[in-house]
Amino acid sequence: EAGVVQSPRYKIIEKKQPVAFWCNPISGHNTLYWYLQNLGQGPELLIRYENEEAVDDSQLPKDRFSAERLKGVDSTLKIQPAELGDSAVYLCASSAGDSGELFFGEGSRLTVL
Amino acid sequence: AQSVTQLDSHVSVSEGTPVLLRCNYSSSYSPSLFWYVQHPNKGLQLLLKYTSAATLVKGINGFEAEFKKSETSFHLTKPSAHMSDAAEYFCVVTSWNFNKFYFGSGTKLNVKP
Repeated sequence: EAGVVQSPRYKIIEKKQPVAFWCNPISGHNTLYWYLQNLGQGPELLIRYENEEAVDDSQLPKDRFSAERLKGVDSTLKIQPAELGDSAVYLCASSAGDSGELFFGEGSRLTVL
Repeated sequence: AQSVTQLDSHVSVSEGTPVLLRCNYSSSYSPSLFWYVQHPNKGLQLLLKYTSAATLVKGINGFEAEFKKSETSFHLTKPSAHMSDAAEYFCVVTSWNFNKFYFGSGTKLNVKP
């Protein structure tokens, strides 16, 4: 069974440029999460989807961040424009029902110059 | 509200000696608790989980953790460290319905030859 797939693994951009990250969750997992992980810290939730509905986006900085999960499968997280402080690892995770287990992708490491 | 505190940001042990990674939690409900491991440039992987069954939980790779309600602790242990255990470990508490996961700040485990 394929795991959670994220791309790109690494991205370097200039500040004020846009960037997008893509996530393909494990087949059949209805719940999808985007987390932000700063260096030396634990992951922090940005947004949670149940199928195609964003059910928790309270921590998503909506002035520059957006996300979508069309058809309840793949998801894209976008930042426009990027700021220096957005340099971090963006993690995607998925889960099935109420198992309580999160399955993580390897992350997308963003460097903003 | 739920939260976790990982008491050590770095732990260093010699190969073959015991490992102890400490975690204290705060929860308004009977908590579900998890330990995840993150190897460099990899996604987080579930080590073990406690969901109100046996208080001593066994996980993968010889790790185990004991839920102690009186001490609000969920420390991770392993009798004998292996070089491959070098990684960052995250303690996690969830909301009662597994909708929110609260990560600790992580403990980096270094294993010396």
